[in-house]
Amino acid sequence: GAVVSQHPSRVICKSGTSVKIECRSLDFQATTMFWYRQFPKQSLMLMATSNEGSKATYEQGVEKDKFLINHASLTLSTLTVTSAHPEDSSFYICSAREGRGIGNEQFFGPGTRLTVL
Amino acid sequence: GQNIDQPTEMTATEGAIVQINCTYQTSGFNGLFWYQQHAGEAPTFLSYNVLDGLEEKGRFSSFLSRSKGYSYLLLKELQMKDSASYLCAVRDYDNAGNMLTFGGGTRLMVKP
Repeated sequence: GAVVSQHPSRVICKSGTSVKIECRSLDFQATTMFWYRQFPKQSLMLMATSNEGSKATYEQGVEKDKFLINHASLTLSTLTVTSAHPEDSSFYICSAREGRGIGNEQFFGPGTRLTVL
Repeated sequence: GQNIDQPTEMTATEGAIVQINCTYQTSGFNGLFWYQQHAGEAPTFLSYNVLDGLEEKGRFSSFLSRSKGYSYLLLKELQMKDSASYLCAVRDYDNAGNMLTFGGGTRLMVKP
């Protein structure tokens, strides 16, 4: 099956710093990548959808200037949390889909646990 | 948008059968997925239904009724390792990106 990796798996940072999370599709070309956030005991909440080579589409309530998404290639998308604060501490999960067709499944990365002190 | 409802928690006994229900409302239904998620891990794919009926895969089965906006995930011969959250997700054809919207998840606890 298709494999999606994320790096780092865990990160602890000080308040005010920026953190970059990478999402890679290892054996397929991901035309579309999705970034989700999950707080403890809650479900996944979609933050943004990005198509390769174009700007990400952010969900309502997600600050695009705070959560910078770059999808510059068909195998890599990055999420940068700028000026992180303790309330940004969460589990961030990316998923990737090959092609834009309606029959294509999303494959999830293993997630990145961010803790902001 | 979508409304996706599933019970918050369920408890069942090892070896038993449990059914997790999911109801949804969407304007352009294009498939329903079930995922399993263990604490601290990413979701893993369990099943996909786009037509009415039952899809069976080993100990897990998933059922869909599009007219009722209803699905269930059936887990047989429960094992302790089945303790996890089970997420119902609906894909909406009307969304530009055809992305998934997740329900709140059902936390299943399997007891000996």
